[in-house]
Amino acid sequence: EADIYQTPRYLVIGTGKKITLECSQTMGHDKMYWYQQDPGMELHLIHYSYGVNSTEKGDLSSESTVSRIRTEHFPLTLESARPSHTSQYLCASSDNRQGYGYTFGSGTRLTVV
Amino acid sequence: GENVEQHPSTLSVQEGDSAVIKCTYSDSASNYFPWYKQELGKGPQLIIDIRSNVGEKKDQRIAVTLNKTAKHFSLHITETQPEDSAVYFCAASIAWGAQKLVFGQGTRLTINP
Repeated sequence: EADIYQTPRYLVIGTGKKITLECSQTMGHDKMYWYQQDPGMELHLIHYSYGVNSTEKGDLSSESTVSRIRTEHFPLTLESARPSHTSQYLCASSDNRQGYGYTFGSGTRLTVV
Repeated sequence: GENVEQHPSTLSVQEGDSAVIKCTYSDSASNYFPWYKQELGKGPQLIIDIRSNVGEKKDQRIAVTLNKTAKHFSLHITETQPEDSAVYFCAASIAWGAQKLVFGQGTRLTINP
C-alpha cells in the first residue's frame, strides 16, 4: 500500500509546454528525492530535499526545478518540455527515524511529442 | 563520489533454482546497502538491506552478503518462483545526512517455469 503518491501516472504533452509532476507523501518523511529512470533501467538522482525550503541538485543534470514548501509535497516542474525530457520520473522519501530505506512512488511516465 | 556496479544485467533461471546478483561499490565510507525490486509499472520496493556491521542477513528465501574488505555485496534468492521475475537494484550510501542512495544499473531477472 503506497504512502507516497505521484500524479499523473502517464502524461503525453507537446513540446514547449510547462508541466508539473506531483509527489506527495503521508509518512512525515523529512527527505525527498526525484529520480529519472531511462529505458535501460538505470536510476539517476536529479533533485533532493533535506526538508522544508531545502532543495539540491542531484548527480544528473536536469533542466527541471523543484520546490519544498510543505513537508509532504515535492513537485517537479519543467518550464518548457522537450522530447529529450521523455522518461520515467520516480519520487521517493526517507526518514532516519524509520530506518534508512527509501519509499518510492509508482512513477510518472512522461512523453513529450 | 560513490559508484556502484551491478552484474549481470540480465539473468534467466529455472523455477526452483537459485539466483545470485552481485554489486561492487567504490566508497569505503558507505555503510548501508539496500536491495530493491521493481515490478512492471511500479516503483522500486525495498526487499532487504544490510549495514556494514553485519556480514549476512536473511529473510525467508532472500539473503544478502557483504564483504567490506572487497567492497562487494550480493543478493541471493533461493527456490525461485515466477513472482520473483522483476528488475532488481542494489544501492549504497552513507546511512546519515542526505542518505543519497547511489543505485546499480539493475538486473532483469526472469524465472522460467
